[in-house]
Amino acid sequence: QQQVKQSPQSLIVQKGGIPIINCAYENTAFDYFPWYQQFPGKGPALLIAIRPDVSEKKEGRFTISFNKSAKQFSLHIMDSQPGDSATYFCAASSDTGNQFYFGTGTSLTVIP
Amino acid sequence: DTGVSQDPRHKITKRGQNVTFRCDPISEHNRLYWYRQTLGQGPEFLTYFQNEAQLEKSRLLSDRFSAERPKGSFSTLEIQRTEQGDSAMYLCASSMSSGNTIYFGEGSWLTVV
Repeated sequence: QQQVKQSPQSLIVQKGGIPIINCAYENTAFDYFPWYQQFPGKGPALLIAIRPDVSEKKEGRFTISFNKSAKQFSLHIMDSQPGDSATYFCAASSDTGNQFYFGTGTSLTVIP
Repeated sequence: DTGVSQDPRHKITKRGQNVTFRCDPISEHNRLYWYRQTLGQGPEFLTYFQNEAQLEKSRLLSDRFSAERPKGSFSTLEIQRTEQGDSAMYLCASSMSSGNTIYFGEGSWLTVV
């Protein structure tokens, strides 16, 4: 079964808008939650990551919000730009596990 | 550039042929992962090495697939008797054994015709 559920599947926003991508998980052993950005024909690139001991993390225009009790986390992209148009994947892993579980991805289009 | 390197980037092969992909991880990384990604899906775990030891394999890794990491450096992923369903991007990633962050290569696209 899908260990990490991601929504929406696709998203279109105007330049300057704030797209929000959501992910949910069930396994409470997960303790590391990265987001990856992937452009067509390229491998996923690490964007930002969070651990459950904090509720929010910001890096530049990218913010992760984390709700441990709800087992949900989300990515917010501030002042989105056309260059942010890509597919975004959330993921989860645990210290005791050896693999990362990925969501199904969100295709983001930022319209100029 | 000292990122994860994969070769070849693209491979077209006829059904039934064998193919091999190579991955060179970031030099100081002990862990190496292979993932498979199909269009519209997230990466799916195939296998994982800690140094030269293959410690975990996914059920997705049928007996036609074999991965090696001799001497704990580069790794190869071989697919024997390829099938059309093997068409996908094969991603290699690496990480420090003590950390969680994994870094992906650019991927190797396989098309089986």
